[in-house]
Amino acid sequence: QQQVKQSPQSLIVQKGGISIINCAYENTAFDYFPWYQQFPGKGPALLIAIRPDVSEKKEGRFTISFNKSAKQFSLHIMDSQPGDSATYFCAASVRGTASKLTFGTGTRLQVTL
Amino acid sequence: GAVVSQHPSRVICKSGTSVKIECRSLDFQATTMFWYRQFPKKSLMLMATSNEGSKATYEQGVEKDKFLINHASLTLSTLTVTSAHPEDSSFYICSARANSGRAGNEQFFGPGTRLTVL
Repeated sequence: QQQVKQSPQSLIVQKGGISIINCAYENTAFDYFPWYQQFPGKGPALLIAIRPDVSEKKEGRFTISFNKSAKQFSLHIMDSQPGDSATYFCAASVRGTASKLTFGTGTRLQVTL
Repeated sequence: GAVVSQHPSRVICKSGTSVKIECRSLDFQATTMFWYRQFPKKSLMLMATSNEGSKATYEQGVEKDKFLINHASLTLSTLTVTSAHPEDSSFYICSARANSGRAGNEQFFGPGTRLTVL
């Protein structure tokens, strides 16, 4: 049973545009929602994370929007750059369960010139 | 800070041999470490959770006798793939969760180990 659904599977955005990736979860016990960026042949790196007590968190060009009632959260990348081309994973975890992360299926982002 | 290393980064072995992969937290102590497996263009699949000084907890469908995990210290966990076969070829990634003092749920990932079994 996949508990975190991620879309789209792939995304092509022009340089300077906004990249939007969406995730939906089922387990209402999730209380930590990170986004990871992964380049080919590398491990994932934490981009930004949010807890359900806030609806939005912004760090530089990256923003997480969180809708608790809809059980959805999304990553917005403003002013997308070619260097942002990577695979992005959303994830979720429940505090008190050894912080096991449940990952989404990933979105391959390509930012074109 | 919060750097996790893995060694080796890449390993090629013959079928039937065992391979050990090390995961180290370089600048923090990690009570809990996680081992993931990732197939090409797929998401990360959690294999097991290891806590320092205790037995690892394996996810459903992961053979504990096949994938031996040892977490002997607060900075080192090892994954040994025993009697490796071509179907074990994959990208193995570890992560470490810091002790109190940092965001409690945050995991820091290693760079991964590419295992190829011939």
